[in-house]
Amino acid sequence: AQSVSQHNHHVILSEAASLELGCNYSYGGTVNLFWYVQYPGQHLQLLLKYFSGDPLVKGIKGFEAEFIKSKFSFNLRKPSVQWSDTAEYFCAVNALSNNDMRFGAGTRLTVKP
Amino acid sequence: ETGVTQSPTHLIKTRGQQVTLRCSSQSGHNTVSWYQQALGQGPQFIFQYYREEENGRGNFPPRFSGLQFPNYSSELNVNALELDDSALYLCASSQELVGLFYEQFFGPGTRLTVL
Repeated sequence: AQSVSQHNHHVILSEAASLELGCNYSYGGTVNLFWYVQYPGQHLQLLLKYFSGDPLVKGIKGFEAEFIKSKFSFNLRKPSVQWSDTAEYFCAVNALSNNDMRFGAGTRLTVKP
Repeated sequence: ETGVTQSPTHLIKTRGQQVTLRCSSQSGHNTVSWYQQALGQGPQFIFQYYREEENGRGNFPPRFSGLQFPNYSSELNVNALELDDSALYLCASSQELVGLFYEQFFGPGTRLTVL
């Protein structure tokens, strides 16, 4: 079964700083990859997804992620964070062979104004 | 917010009891997935229903079971509750496009406490 690792439990940044959140997974087969975000008091929502094609995917609110197959990684990036990006971010992997879906433990991002 | 609704919002049960949680999917969605989220952890996939059939299951015992109805709403049933079942239970609906997890819309969750 696949597993998902998010390297940072809590990240604190100042506004305008660049962001990179790490995500690695362990699964040798074909996968679909996701980043979800949960803003304070809100539901989980999809930030971006990779299914096929260009490994650099763009999502909402200026976020992007790059799928590096050889490294089993799908890191999330944003060039300049805003206070409103304060939230919990979850990486998720869907293994197509058994339709299993695994989430990482999440990274809490705090952006200081 | 999404069109996915869950009931009840909160629930308190005692060990050994049974519980049923409900989810109404977003209009036009034919797939429902259920997740368990313990405090401080990411959601754990319980199972998925597609067109009223179970279509994928995570590492949960058989006492976790579900149903999907013709209107695509869904139920999660948990028998013989254990203390470790205390968690937030999330429902997510999606419409099959490229895949069944293509774009999930999550509900607010049901907070279950087992005493």
